[in-house]
This record gives sequence, structure tokens and C-alpha cells, in this order.
Amino acid sequence: QVQLVQSGAEVKKPGASVKVSCKASGYTFTGYYMHWVRQAPGQGLEWMGRINPNSGGTNYAQKFQGRVTMTRDTSISTAYMELSRLRSDDTAVYYCARAPTPVAGTFDYWGQGTLVTVSS
Amino acid sequence: QSALTQPASVSGSPGQSITISCTGTSSDVGGYNYVSWYQQHPGKAPKLMIYEVSNRPSGVSNRFSGSKSGNTASLTISGLQAEDEADYYCSSYTSSSTLNVVFGGGTKLTVL
Repeated sequence: QVQLVQSGAEVKKPGASVKVSCKASGYTFTGYYMHWVRQAPGQGLEWMGRINPNSGGTNYAQKFQGRVTMTRDTSISTAYMELSRLRSDDTAVYYCARAPTPVAGTFDYWGQGTLVTVSS
Repeated sequence: QSALTQPASVSGSPGQSITISCTGTSSDVGGYNYVSWYQQHPGKAPKLMIYEVSNRPSGVSNRFSGSKSGNTASLTISGLQAEDEADYYCSSYTSSSTLNVVFGGGTKLTVL
């Protein structure tokens, strides 16, 4: 069965960076785009960007351009999202989500989420 | 401010039907049949309920249905059950150069 398992909660200081991992199993990792979506406490969902695990190509939401880097390691079927220059308003749960088609923006499987807390 | 507009809350009694709207523009909802709906219970990851406007993934109850007219998509839940109480989010592919996917602000469904 398809599973996306994310790394554990993180606490970071303002200005630091955080790297969240998402290990995929149960399907061919390179066959599906992986997206990252975040959710601030009590707020809605926000799309951050996506990576093509096959090519490594990425697309980022303009809001995060220059601060976010999405990578992957195909040898261990794992995607990564690194966010730098953290601010307090980056405190959120970060999800990875698999997209069954490249264009539609549908996410059929989600990771369990990783809480990132930014606090001095 | 979210790119897609949803009502903040809706409510209904068990057995009733409710509809949640999701309004966008011709660059997203109105321009493509790529609207999805997600259900999220507190502390849990979102779950895909509807994709490509009106398709249900395997395992999702047929009490959930989706439709679209112009720039507005809708999710209808019939025969409301207590377990349907959750937050619901719509999303759409967008042709915006700054985004690939846009979400609605979410709707809290309360089953009375």
C-alpha cells in the first residue's frame, strides 16, 4: 500500500533552516510528482511547490522562491523540502503529497505532516 | 486571502444534504476541470474526496458528489452522518505564473 512517512517535529530559531523528509513506499517513486503543502495553526492549506522525482525538476510558488529548495534521493525513495531564513509565521504543519497526474493538482496520498515551530 | 473562496462554515442535521461552494476565476476553477475536494479531521492529514470536479476515488462514499458551473465548483454531501463533521477544502489547478495549485480557505462542516 502507498505510504508517505515524514520526519519528526522540529523547533527552530528565526533565521535558521529546516529540512523535512518524506519517504515513499508502495509505488514507483519516480513515477509521480511530489508536492509540498503547509498549514499554519488554525489556518488553511497553502501550496508551496513540487518536484518531479524522475528528473529532479522543480516548480515553486512565488511566495517561497529563493527560500525553498525541494530535492530527492531516488536510491531511498525520499523527497526533501528545505526552507531557509525561517520566520515566526513559518510555524506550520508541512505535508508532502503525491500527485497521480502532472497537471491536475490532485493529491491522492499525503504524509502524516511535520510540525515546524519557529520560536526564539 | 485564499485564492478560492469558500464559506467559512456550513451545518446540517443527520440525514440532510449540504452543499459547499468554491468560487475562483477563469484562470483556475472556470478554466479547467481540475477541481479537487479534501476532507480534514482535526489533527489529521487531508483526504481526497473528489477529483477532476466530479470523480470519487475508490473507497469514498457515493454520498459525496462534485459539480461545477462557470467559476464555481460545489461539493454536495447527502445523508449527512456524524463522521462527516470536518473541514473541507477545495483546490484547483491554476494557470497563474506564480502558483501551480490554489486552495480554498476551507469550510467547517458541523453536523447538528
